[in-house]
Amino acid sequence: AQSVTQLDSQVPVFEEAPVELRCNYSSSVSVYLFWYVQYPNQGLQLLLKYLSGSTLVESINGFEAEFNKSQTSFHLRKPSVHISDTAEYFCAVSRASGTYKYIFGTGTRLKVLA
Amino acid sequence: EAGVAQSPRYKIIEKRQSVAFWCNPISGHATLYWYQQILGQGPKLLIQFQNNGVVDDSQLPKDRFSAERLKGVDSTLKIQPAKLEDSAVYLCASSPWSLDTQYFGPGTRLTVL
Repeated sequence: AQSVTQLDSQVPVFEEAPVELRCNYSSSVSVYLFWYVQYPNQGLQLLLKYLSGSTLVESINGFEAEFNKSQTSFHLRKPSVHISDTAEYFCAVSRASGTYKYIFGTGTRLKVLA
Repeated sequence: EAGVAQSPRYKIIEKRQSVAFWCNPISGHATLYWYQQILGQGPKLLIQFQNNGVVDDSQLPKDRFSAERLKGVDSTLKIQPAKLEDSAVYLCASSPWSLDTQYFGPGTRLTVL
């Protein structure tokens, strides 16, 4: 069975500082990995995803995540955050084959401080 | 392109009452999901439809929850009777196919008193 762990429930960071949101997963089979973001009073939306190919994936708003198979991690990073990045971020994992099921982490609340 | 629509946005009921939620996915999306998100937790998949067939309902409490997807388009999720622990946000999502990006609706916030 798959599982996903987001160790940090809240991450406060000052504007223009770098940030890393951690995500670790557990699976006995190949997986697909996702980061979703939920801005205040809005629905969940996809930020970026890893399906195959390059292990480094990027979003249009400057976030990136790297799939590390040996460490079973998919950490989300941004070199310089903005106030508008304040949101809750969810890591999710699904099997790459067979029975398909999404499993979400518990979320990390990123608060960007002025 | 219109997004995933859900109604109602908020619902307050007393325990043992019944409630129903409605979801209209993005046009053409074959896969539809219902999630339960309890405060402080990540979304938990309740049921996944592929067209109008159920792909996964292993985490759906079938003694009180039911869901259907008529004609492979709209879907309803029902709780009967509700318990206090059902208080949560119920999210509907759809995707063109099962391994693709999921598009979420705004959710229905249910409070059971």
